Amino acid sequence: TQLLEQSPQFLSIQEGENLTVYCNSSSVFSSLQWYRQEPGEGPVLLVTVVTGGEVKKLKRLTFQFGDARKDSSLHITAAQPGDTGLYLCAGLSLSGNTPLVFGKGTRLSVIA
Amino acid sequence: KAGVTQTPRYLIKTRGQQVTLSCSPISGHRSVSWYQQTPGQGLQFLFEYFSETQRNKGNFPGRFSGRQFSNSRSEMNVSTLELGDSALYLCASSLGPTTSYEQYFGPGTRLTVT
Repeated sequence: TQLLEQSPQFLSIQEGENLTVYCNSSSVFSSLQWYRQEPGEGPVLLVTVVTGGEVKKLKRLTFQFGDARKDSSLHITAAQPGDTGLYLCAGLSLSGNTPLVFGKGTRLSVIA
Repeated sequence: KAGVTQTPRYLIKTRGQQVTLSCSPISGHRSVSWYQQTPGQGLQFLFEYFSETQRNKGNFPGRFSGRQFSNSRSEMNVSTLELGDSALYLCASSLGPTTSYEQYFGPGTRLTVT
């Protein structure tokens, strides 16, 4: 069974601080996606990374896919209260009966 | 384009009853996946339908079933409800089996079993 471990599980920071969320696995994925989920809503796709070593930037968010395609990180610069939410990583499996494997998420709270 | 819609948004049922949840995907999307989300287990994959056929199935008991119609709308059914079935049920649509498999989620149906 492929697993994605996210850390930390919870993060509470002050507005303006930087943070990094990690997503790790012992399995190789063909691609990796990051989602953000706000209370009462479904997850919203932020980015997909496909190539090992790939770095993508979305305004203050920087996503990186590990060289071996087993891990990924999300870095947020100068966090804002609007960044508050549950961040989920999801790996696209190369095989198996579950095409998309989700981590349990990192719950981020940014305090003004 | 309208997003993914799910009905109902909230549901309260009693143990032993059955429930049917509905999902309308984004227009043009032929794949619909269902997930169960709980605080302890996170997002767990239930099943995926593409062109009215079940493509993949997660590790859930047979009480959980689904189907997809010719217009890509999908329903999932849970029979003989248990307390542990209380969760947020999310439906996601996508174009289908592609390289990226990006999912577009609905707001979910919050099911409470008492």
